[in-house]
Amino acid sequence: LAKTTQPISMDSYEGQEVNITCSHNNIATNDYITWYQQFPSQGPRFIIQGYKTKVTNEVASLFIPADRKSSTLSLPRVSLSDTAVYYCLVGDNQAGTALIFGKGTTLSVSS
Amino acid sequence: DAGVTQSPTHLIKTRGQHVTLRCSPISGHKSVSWYQQVLGQGPQFIFQYYEKEERGRGNFPDRFSARQFPNYSSELNVNALLLGDSALYLCASSLVGATSTNYEQYFGPGTRLTVT
Repeated sequence: LAKTTQPISMDSYEGQEVNITCSHNNIATNDYITWYQQFPSQGPRFIIQGYKTKVTNEVASLFIPADRKSSTLSLPRVSLSDTAVYYCLVGDNQAGTALIFGKGTTLSVSS
Repeated sequence: DAGVTQSPTHLIKTRGQHVTLRCSPISGHKSVSWYQQVLGQGPQFIFQYYEKEERGRGNFPDRFSARQFPNYSSELNVNALLLGDSALYLCASSLVGATSTNYEQYFGPGTRLTVT
């Protein structure tokens, strides 16, 4: 399974765009890149998933360069409620493949 | 539509006891996974069940077991509880099939287990 590396923490202010980069140098051909958000004492919440180039939904954008060795989660105009831990996961979508969560990136948004 | 539900919300047990945690997946989801999350760490994979069969197992001792029922709900059982089993236990469901989306999982609120 590809190992991921992401910053332990990031700070931002309300209204700013936040970009969290994840490195996954050993990503396999069949692997997808998935991001989750987790608030304290809650289960993680699926944010976005992509395979290559750019994916955008109502919450975030995911940028994946051609070599797929890294990815960047972009959160536009963050608010205080975006303060959470963000996890980058890499793996195939087949049943039984374990989701491997690292320690994630703790994003703190201030007013 | 209801999300993933788990019961109980909180539980306090004594070392050596047994515990059963329950999970109901989102309607239409046939896969259920269990995770353990200790404070300050990311969730750790315990089991995945799909169509009532075990499809994946994490690095947990045999004291941990699970099963999935015909209605796709699931139980996680832990025997001979240790203090180190204190954690948030999370259940997640996903659509797994021809267009497999195993990495798009939907988590429940978790069961907070405290072992004293």
